[in-house]
Amino acid sequence: KQEVTQIPAALSVPEGENLVLNCSFTDSAIYNLQWFRQDPGKGLTSLLLIQSSQREQTSGRLNASLDKSSGRSTLYIAASQPGDSATYLCAPSRGNQFYFGTGTSLTVIP
Amino acid sequence: GAGVSQSPSNKVTEKGKDVELRCDPISGHTALYWYRQRLGQGLEFLIYFQGNSAPDKSGLPSDRFSAERTGESVSTLTIQRTQQEDSAVYLCASSTRTQHTEAFFGQGTRLTVV
Repeated sequence: KQEVTQIPAALSVPEGENLVLNCSFTDSAIYNLQWFRQDPGKGLTSLLLIQSSQREQTSGRLNASLDKSSGRSTLYIAASQPGDSATYLCAPSRGNQFYFGTGTSLTVIP
Repeated sequence: GAGVSQSPSNKVTEKGKDVELRCDPISGHTALYWYRQRLGQGLEFLIYFQGNSAPDKSGLPSDRFSAERTGESVSTLTIQRTQQEDSAVYLCASSTRTQHTEAFFGQGTRLTVV
């Protein structure tokens, strides 16, 4: 069974800092990996999708990398803003489902 | 529609009652997923639909849980004889095909069993 771990579990940074969120997974035979954000009491918002053949994807201030062989992905957030405060989830996919960890709770302090 | 829509957004029910949760996927999306998120925990996979068929029901926790999908569109998740441990947020997602494409989630249904 695919196990997903995200470190750190919680992170608090001042506005403007660059930061890195880490994701590791135990089964490297994945189809793709998707990063989501979840705001309190809300559903998930898709941020980036990296196919298994890709090494990274960028969207605005976000950059996600994937090292499938080592079972790792990172999400880099540049110039963080208070509106980035949320829980960030990575979800590798295999078979018919996405697998989730418990995420990283990010607080950006104005 | 513009996104995945779920209804109701909140549901409070008495223990032992049956509940139905609805998911309207993005138009044209053939893949549909149901997940459950208990308070403070990660998302648990429940069931996957491809079209109107459910080739993967491996996450359904008991025979009290069932789901169907019609017209390659709307899906209903039914929980019979609800128990307090069924309290959770139930999330639905859809994607254009399956494993290789981006999944989009709805806002979820918060179920509270009292």
